[in-house]
Amino acid sequence: KAGVTQTPRYLIKTRGQQVTLSCSPISGHRSVSWYQQTPGQGLQFLFEYFSETQRNKGNFPGRFSGRQFSNSRSEMNVSTLELGDSALYLCASSSLQGASSGANVLTFGAGSRLTVL
Amino acid sequence: AQSVTQLDSHVSVSEGTPVLLRCNYSSSYSPSLFWYVQHPNKGLQLLLKYTSAATLVKGINGFEAEFKKSETSFHLTKPSAHMSDAAEYFCVVSGASGTYKYIFGTGTRLKVLA
Repeated sequence: KAGVTQTPRYLIKTRGQQVTLSCSPISGHRSVSWYQQTPGQGLQFLFEYFSETQRNKGNFPGRFSGRQFSNSRSEMNVSTLELGDSALYLCASSSLQGASSGANVLTFGAGSRLTVL
Repeated sequence: AQSVTQLDSHVSVSEGTPVLLRCNYSSSYSPSLFWYVQHPNKGLQLLLKYTSAATLVKGINGFEAEFKKSETSFHLTKPSAHMSDAAEYFCVVSGASGTYKYIFGTGTRLKVLA
């Protein structure tokens, strides 16, 4: 079956612009989470969605937002881009159903590499 | 609170020699633990997971990890390194029940020398 698809794979923006990244999860997966990966900070959790509801959010400013659609596809948006937002943004989906289960495996997409100039 | 520490940021081994990547965790709960691998410009791929069944977990590509509660460790090993193993490896602990979060270690970059 198809894996997690992230688009675009690469993009370049300038400071002050905004960007929208898309993630299509594995068919049947209803949980989608987003991570930011940078050389200095490593992998940091952004937020997680399940059935169109944000269930948890990491420690990022309000410029970072996301949403999930009824088909489980998710988007994240970063407004007023800063140089420090340059990163690989990873999306992961899980078949997590309702109550939390830490045993659920995250399946990652290849990521969207954002460069802010 | 949950946390995970990868003890080495870089590890170099010769091809054909054993690999040991070290991970210690802290958890107030019975944790689920994972190892993921990331090749350059790629997403993360699951190597193996521990979910309170057997303490020795076998994964893909010949990797395995042993859960040691007394030492709060979950080290990743492979008997014989291959050039294709060169990548970054992440140890991950699941967050507390209800948080839907996974805590990632800072990663260990494995270099395999010919």
